[in-house]
Amino acid sequence: KNEVEQSPQNLTAQEGEFITINCSYSVGISALHWLQQHPGGGIVSLFMLSSGKKKHGRLIATINIQEKHSSLHITASHPRDSAVYICAVIRGGADGLTFGKGTHLIIQP
Amino acid sequence: GAGVSQSPRYKVAKRGQDVALRCDPISGHVSLFWYQQALGQGPEFLTYFQNEAQLDKSGLPSDRFFAERPEGSVSTLKIQRTQQEDSAVYLCASSPIGLAGMNEQFFGPGTRLTVL
Repeated sequence: KNEVEQSPQNLTAQEGEFITINCSYSVGISALHWLQQHPGGGIVSLFMLSSGKKKHGRLIATINIQEKHSSLHITASHPRDSAVYICAVIRGGADGLTFGKGTHLIIQP
Repeated sequence: GAGVSQSPRYKVAKRGQDVALRCDPISGHVSLFWYQQALGQGPEFLTYFQNEAQLDKSGLPSDRFFAERPEGSVSTLKIQRTQQEDSAVYLCASSPIGLAGMNEQFFGPGTRLTVL
């Protein structure tokens, strides 16, 4: 079993829909990152969380440390949001990120 | 300002050949990470530098993989005697402070290595 599990693996939605991507992890962590990867490989950091909730524009990320679960929400989704969204954690005592396999999101006009 | 750059962007190597992949982090960034991303998979951690010190190399898959950052800025990932299973995108990321993953990481575009 992977230490970081994301769901769904693939998601297709219509423009304007509210999107939720989930991340569960099975290890103790220091922090959790949400990343966006566009075709061609470029990865951009969206959020780093250790507790609570963060908001940036139409993106909202939440984390529940007790339940070992995080969600990424996109409000008023747009075709330019189409990308792979990756959840990654810093395991306690580790240096590098441990990544989930990503959620491939397609927003149709 | 300039982001993280990597070179070459694409590398084709014959099996058994040695390759060197370069990462130029954002100027002044203390932390530098290397990750390996196989096709269709999430990235996997290879190694971590804090300035010139390689503090964690637990993710390097074999002793054919070697990384250095001699002056605490540019880093090179070297793969000796490449094998087909080394084919992947190699990502470099840097971070401004020395708390490993406890800060936003800025990723380079990656080097896509294909071993024939």
